[in-house]
Amino acid sequence: NAGVTQTPKFQVLKTGQSMTLQCAQDMNHNSMYWYRQDPGMGLRLIYYSASEGTTDKGEVPNGYNVSRLNKREFSLRLESAAPSQTSVYFCASSLQGGKETQYFGPGTRLLVL
Amino acid sequence: GDSVTQMEGPVTLSEEAFLTINCTYTATGYPSLFWYVQYPGEGLQLLLKATKADDKGSNKGFEATYRKETTSFHLEKGSVQVSDSAVYFCALSRTGTASKLTFGTGTRLQVTL
Repeated sequence: NAGVTQTPKFQVLKTGQSMTLQCAQDMNHNSMYWYRQDPGMGLRLIYYSASEGTTDKGEVPNGYNVSRLNKREFSLRLESAAPSQTSVYFCASSLQGGKETQYFGPGTRLLVL
Repeated sequence: GDSVTQMEGPVTLSEEAFLTINCTYTATGYPSLFWYVQYPGEGLQLLLKATKADDKGSNKGFEATYRKETTSFHLEKGSVQVSDSAVYFCALSRTGTASKLTFGTGTRLQVTL
């Protein structure tokens, strides 16, 4: 039981390049989330998926797209990376909505030059 | 909108000292309140939670009480250890189709011998 896994762990991009961050969970959770963590700002929600087949914008969605590929997998895509997207990205999942606990992956550190 | 305010860090304590990390929130209705902990190089993990007023969450010697009258959820531990050194995040979630978390900015705790 691996919980929430993320790939890659670290990535360096040049401005304008694209990439996809992968996330998978093996807990049969319905809801999945993408956050970014920046110094002094806590974690901010980028996108979330309440259930398979649905996605919604969070607090900071600009410059990102997501795909809920199936119940297990939720990917985050940067179409044209910008230095402002340098951050640590965390994927999380929860059994369902409401007041459920979220379980986090280990994070992807992204540097955009 | 919802917001969470935490005391600024870093907090530096000697081993066996008493810990308090203040957290206050702004939200309509009755959110659930959480403390998450992030150890160096890792993702966030749930430390404790409370889902209604006057509930006390507790885990690993840490405690926090949901105080609706003061909109607070302060984290306390009677005797900290070096292994408690980490970043602590206060967060809230509202009832809905997904348990979107609103985080505070985090408080770094450093415990020394």
